[in-house]
Amino acid sequence: ILNVEQSPQSLHVQEGDSTNFTCSFPSSNFYALHWYRWETAKSPEALFVMTLNGDEKKKGRISATLNTKEGYSYLYIKGSQPEDSATYLCALLQTGANNLFFGTGTRLTVIP
Amino acid sequence: DAGITQSPRHKVTETGTPVTLRCHQTENHRYMYWYRQDPGHGLRLIHYSYGVKDTDKGEVSDGYSVSRSKTEDFLLTLESATSSQTSVYFCAISESLVRQEQFFGPGTRLTVL
Repeated sequence: ILNVEQSPQSLHVQEGDSTNFTCSFPSSNFYALHWYRWETAKSPEALFVMTLNGDEKKKGRISATLNTKEGYSYLYIKGSQPEDSATYLCALLQTGANNLFFGTGTRLTVIP
Repeated sequence: DAGITQSPRHKVTETGTPVTLRCHQTENHRYMYWYRQDPGHGLRLIHYSYGVKDTDKGEVSDGYSVSRSKTEDFLLTLESATSSQTSVYFCAISESLVRQEQFFGPGTRLTVL
């Protein structure tokens, strides 16, 4: 079992605030890191797939960075909106593996 | 949206009975996965398949078996359901985890009484 950790476990922010959370993972045998957004009563949906150290990806107000040498990724949300309320999952793919290992997620609640 | 369905969507069963969940895809993706979602644990991998008749265990495979006789179908079987297997089960598909994300099915809520 891999140690993929996400912090914080949950947070509440006011509408309009920017926020960020962390995914930490073993840096050895790194191959790819996935980020997913999971709304309550729905299925997880992919945000990003990141493979290169220093990579930065952006989708609207959401962006992510990746540091494979130290084993972490940050997810940023600029100007949070109530519809951003969801659980955000990261998942690690190691070299030679055929499956992802998921963290337990960060549950974001945006208060109107 | 990726063409992935799960059946049934909801099921209530009794301890000791066999249960089979079906995942069906129309995307012709190579990889298929079964996860369970439990509070405090996020998504945990039960079994996965990397091709027809090719399967492997995940981190919580005890009490579960799988079969994949066709590219499009991946079956998850609980031979003798227990209350600890009450959960929401998600199927996912992928063509390549390096180039592409996983696409998830709508989930199956299973209750074992």
